[in-house]
Amino acid sequence: RKEVEQDPGPFNVPEGATVAFNCTYSNSASQSFFWYRQDCRKEPKLLMSVYSSGNEDGRFTAQLNRASQYISLLIRDSKLSDSATYLCADNAGGTSYGKLTFGQGTILTVHP
Amino acid sequence: DVKVTQSSRYLVKRTGEKVFLECVQDMDHENMFWYRQDPGLGLRLIYFSYDVKMKEKGDIPEGYSVSREKKERFSLILESASTNQTSMYLCASSYIARMSSYNEQFFGPGTRLTVL
Repeated sequence: RKEVEQDPGPFNVPEGATVAFNCTYSNSASQSFFWYRQDCRKEPKLLMSVYSSGNEDGRFTAQLNRASQYISLLIRDSKLSDSATYLCADNAGGTSYGKLTFGQGTILTVHP
Repeated sequence: DVKVTQSSRYLVKRTGEKVFLECVQDMDHENMFWYRQDPGLGLRLIYFSYDVKMKEKGDIPEGYSVSREKKERFSLILESASTNQTSMYLCASSYIARMSSYNEQFFGPGTRLTVL
């Protein structure tokens, strides 16, 4: 089993829709989690960090469920510009070297 | 603004050539990382370094080596390039995290390497 798993999608949604992605992790020692956004042919950039139960930033909400070992990303009122690949990552069981383990990414396409 | 730069955006090499990929960061980060990214496989860690002259193997170190002679620079070396090393290579850096909440990694723009 992969340490961090995501549904690769693709998710195709209309503008204005609400879409949610899940990401499961296998290492129960992981303490912090991240959602990165990667545009086509660009580098990943941090979207949100998740340390406790959840985090909200505008239209984006990230939640952590430690009992079931998954994190989720909810995007409300989707925009065309939200089309990207979304990568989740955990801090590899709490290692102090800042090592992250990434999922394979979920592709989102928002259409008019 | 954190800046991570990589020496080339696109690189074409021949099988058997020695290849150097350079990464420089300007934020005095202790940690530096090299990943490769392939369709369907996501980001896979090749090597990382948490200090000058220190290196640790990641998940797929075979066929690669690294060098960190200065804090700001981390080099990835393909000793003898092979076609299965054709990929997107991404460098990243971050602070040493006393608390795990500060593990954010900042990525360079990537180098797309093609080995013929």
